[in-house]
Amino acid sequence: SQTIHQWPATLVQPVGSPLSLECTVEGTSNPNLYWYRQAAGRGLQLLFYSVGIGQISSEVPQNLSASRPQDRQFILSSKKLLLSDSGFYLCAWSVQAGGLRAYEQYFGPGTRLTVT
Amino acid sequence: AQKITQTQPGMFVQEKEAVTLDCTYDTSDQSYGLFWYKQPSSGEMIFLIYQGSYDEQNATEGRYSLNFQKARKSANLVISASQLGDSAMYFCAMRERQGGGGNKLTFGTGTQLKVEL
Repeated sequence: SQTIHQWPATLVQPVGSPLSLECTVEGTSNPNLYWYRQAAGRGLQLLFYSVGIGQISSEVPQNLSASRPQDRQFILSSKKLLLSDSGFYLCAWSVQAGGLRAYEQYFGPGTRLTVT
Repeated sequence: AQKITQTQPGMFVQEKEAVTLDCTYDTSDQSYGLFWYKQPSSGEMIFLIYQGSYDEQNATEGRYSLNFQKARKSANLVISASQLGDSAMYFCAMRERQGGGGNKLTFGTGTQLKVEL
C-alpha cells in the first residue's frame, strides 16, 4: 500500500531563517506531487506541483521554492522565512494521468510551521 | 478561473441524524471533478468522495453521498446517521487538469461540523 510521510510535524522558526520541509511517498512510482499551504481557518492553497523529477510548477509567487531530487521525494524550501509563511503545509500525491484513480489526491500528515 | 463556495462556516447536527453540507462551484470547463475531504483536528486531509462531471449517478461511499446538481453547479455532501467521529472540518474541492498530467485542486473555505449527543 502507498504511504506518504512528511517531516517535521511541527516547526518553529524565526523570521529570516531558512526552511526545508520534506515529503516522501512509498509504494508507488512516478507520482504527481503537490505542496499545499493552509492558513489558520482557511482552505488549502496549491503552492507547487510536480509531474516528474526536476519538473516543478509554481502556482503563486512567493519566497518559497520546491525541488524534486528523486521520484518520490518532494522538498519545500525557503532562504528567508517571513511571518506570512506561517501555516499548515501539506504534501499530496496522485497517480499520473491515465491511471484508474488519477483524480484522487492523497495527503500527508502535514507540517505546522510557526514563524516568530 | 475555478471557484468553490462553501457558505456554511459551521454546522451542528444531532448524533444519528443526517446533515447536508453545501458546496457550489464555478467553472467554464466541461470536464471536471468534485471532491469532498474531511480534516479532523489532527490536520490530515481524508478523501471522502468523488464526483465526475460526466457521471450520471450521484456518488456514494458508505454513509457519504454527493448530491450533484450540474445545472445548479452544486455538489452538496450528505452524511447519513451522523456519528461523534464525524466532527471535523469538511472541504469541497474541484479538480482541473493541468499541463503534463497534473491535477490541481481548488478548495473551498470549509465547513466546521459538530456532531452533538
